[in-house]
Amino acid sequence: GENVEQHPSTLSVQEGDSAVIKCTYSDSASNYFPWYKQELGKGPQLIIDIRSNVGEKKDQRIAVTLNKTAKHFSLHITETQPEDSAVYFCAASIRDSGGYQKVTFGTGTKLQVIP
Amino acid sequence: EAQVTQNPRYLITVTGKKLTVTCSQNMNHEYMSWYRQDPGLGLRQIYYSMNVEATDKGDVPEGYKVSRKEKRNFPLILESPSPNQTSLYFCASGSLPAGVTDTQYFGPGTRLTVL
Repeated sequence: GENVEQHPSTLSVQEGDSAVIKCTYSDSASNYFPWYKQELGKGPQLIIDIRSNVGEKKDQRIAVTLNKTAKHFSLHITETQPEDSAVYFCAASIRDSGGYQKVTFGTGTKLQVIP
Repeated sequence: EAQVTQNPRYLITVTGKKLTVTCSQNMNHEYMSWYRQDPGLGLRQIYYSMNVEATDKGDVPEGYKVSRKEKRNFPLILESPSPNQTSLYFCASGSLPAGVTDTQYFGPGTRLTVL
């Protein structure tokens, strides 16, 4: 089955600096890569996603890049703010014959933005 | 407001005492799923459902049961809880077939402790 590795497990940055979280996946059939942000005491919430036919996607201060050949994708947060502090999960998914998307999550990165 | 609700949010129980965690969504989603979140392991899927009366095992189904009698509800049942089921549980829902996005919407989580 799919295996998703996520690094680093913890990341501390100064406010205003950039943060990068990297993930690798094992199954070349994976075609959808969402990123979720989990704030303390809450459920994960989608912040950005990318499909396998796209190399990069940006939404304001957040961007995701995908390298299908190397089977890795990354989340980039620029101009970090204290409210960016949270746990971030990457995921890779494959659609099966029944239309169901099998989603495999990474182990999470705890991001701390220091004011 | 579109949301996924779970109850209870916190539960402490003893080994062997049957319990049910309820999950309800108001977005008319076909797809619903249960995950457990453990430190260093990320989110692992327990069971999922593609529609009413259609459920299937995820990656870690042992010791759990689910049912999907109504589209909006997807309860998680622990017939005989054991300490290794102490965890943070999330219910999620999504639309099928997936449209522009395959995003899942997560509930706020249920923290379960089995003594």
